[in-house]
Amino acid sequence: AQSVSQHNHHVILSEAASLELGCNYSYGGTVNLFWYVQYPGQHLQLLLKYFSGDPLVKGIKGFEAEFIKSKFSFNLRKPSVQWSDTAEYFCAVNDPDTDKLIFGTGTRLQVFP
Amino acid sequence: ETGVTQTPRHLVMGMTNKKSLKCEQHLGHNAMYWYKQSAKKPLELMFVYSLEERVENNSVPSRFSPECPNSSHLFLHLHTLQPEDSALYLCASSQDLTSRPEENYGYTFGSGTRLTVV
Repeated sequence: AQSVSQHNHHVILSEAASLELGCNYSYGGTVNLFWYVQYPGQHLQLLLKYFSGDPLVKGIKGFEAEFIKSKFSFNLRKPSVQWSDTAEYFCAVNDPDTDKLIFGTGTRLQVFP
Repeated sequence: ETGVTQTPRHLVMGMTNKKSLKCEQHLGHNAMYWYKQSAKKPLELMFVYSLEERVENNSVPSRFSPECPNSSHLFLHLHTLQPEDSALYLCASSQDLTSRPEENYGYTFGSGTRLTVV
């Protein structure tokens, strides 16, 4: 079965710092990859997704993620974070056997002014 | 609003109570899901419904009982819960269970119900 690992559980940054959140998955075949964000008190919402094509995916709010097949990774990046980026970030991958989304444990990002 | 509405937003119940969580979507989606979100744990898929038929039950205790009367509504009936069941319960929907990736694949989540069992 597919699994997703997010190794950074809690990240604290100052505004304008660069961000990279790690995500690794276990399946070696064709996968669809997602990053979701959950702002405090709000619902989970899709940040970006990768299906095929250009491995560098642009999402909303200046986020991007790079799919590196050889490393089974789909890390999330942002060159300069803002206080409003404080949220929890979830990586997810579809399980090709069941076609369901499998989520990581999430990374809590706190950005201080 | 995301298009997926969950009520109530907060619920406190005793271990002997019976309550229900409600989820409603009018996005025309055919698949609906219940997830449990606990601190420091991955989102746990509990139940999956496709076209009102349950297609998956991930070894969830019988004190949780789902119901999907139609493609727009999903309920989670709760009875004799334990304190460790306290969590955020999220409902989600997607176009189809087996949507092609190039279609609008991705889940739309509700805001969740924060459940506290005392």
